Amino acid sequence: DVKVTQSSRYLVKRTGEKVFLECVQDMDHENMFWYRQDPGLGLRLIYFSYDVKMKEKGDIPEGYSVSREKKERFSLILESASTNQTSMYLCASSGDSGGAFFGQGTRLTVV
Amino acid sequence: QQQVKQSPQSLIVQKGGISIINCAYENTAFDYFPWYQQFPGKGPALLIAIRPDVSEKKEGRFTISFNKSAKQFSLHIMDSQPGDSATYFCAASYSASKIIFGSGTRLSIRP
Repeated sequence: DVKVTQSSRYLVKRTGEKVFLECVQDMDHENMFWYRQDPGLGLRLIYFSYDVKMKEKGDIPEGYSVSREKKERFSLILESASTNQTSMYLCASSGDSGGAFFGQGTRLTVV
Repeated sequence: QQQVKQSPQSLIVQKGGISIINCAYENTAFDYFPWYQQFPGKGPALLIAIRPDVSEKKEGRFTISFNKSAKQFSLHIMDSQPGDSATYFCAASYSASKIIFGSGTRLSIRP
């Protein structure tokens, strides 16, 4: 069974903290993505990576950075968490077929 | 150019009826059009997808209709069941790279 695993289901962090969200896929996919999901706004792309150490900004990259040191792992970093970054964060991966496989999501609350 | 517009935002259908969700896109470079199904507390799951060289794809009760000239595609769920109640997202991508999602449709099937 294909799998995209996110390190945490729920996280509560304080304003100003540096936050790391980890994602691992076991499908040898080239592409990996980070989305955030908010009610009424659908899934918005934060960053994606098409190869190790390669990254491209999505639609809402401000306040975020990413790291991809190994093919199977893609990390999202909130440099200084703010309350408007409270959201559901979804990691996904895709290969040549184009279809993306998602993790179960991390619900982050910034207080 | 990058947007995918989805309608309706919410939909209520009687059991056994046909559910229809519509999407429109602008970027003619898109070459892959998937639909995702998401249940509460879960990540989206790939449901069915189509490429622009065909006008229709059917998998069980789910059908995608694709109109290349109008830049529109739609999901039809035949014989809708209560278990189909979920949020559905259309999406578009090109060159197996970043995936752009619609805003989602919350579907409720009434028994």
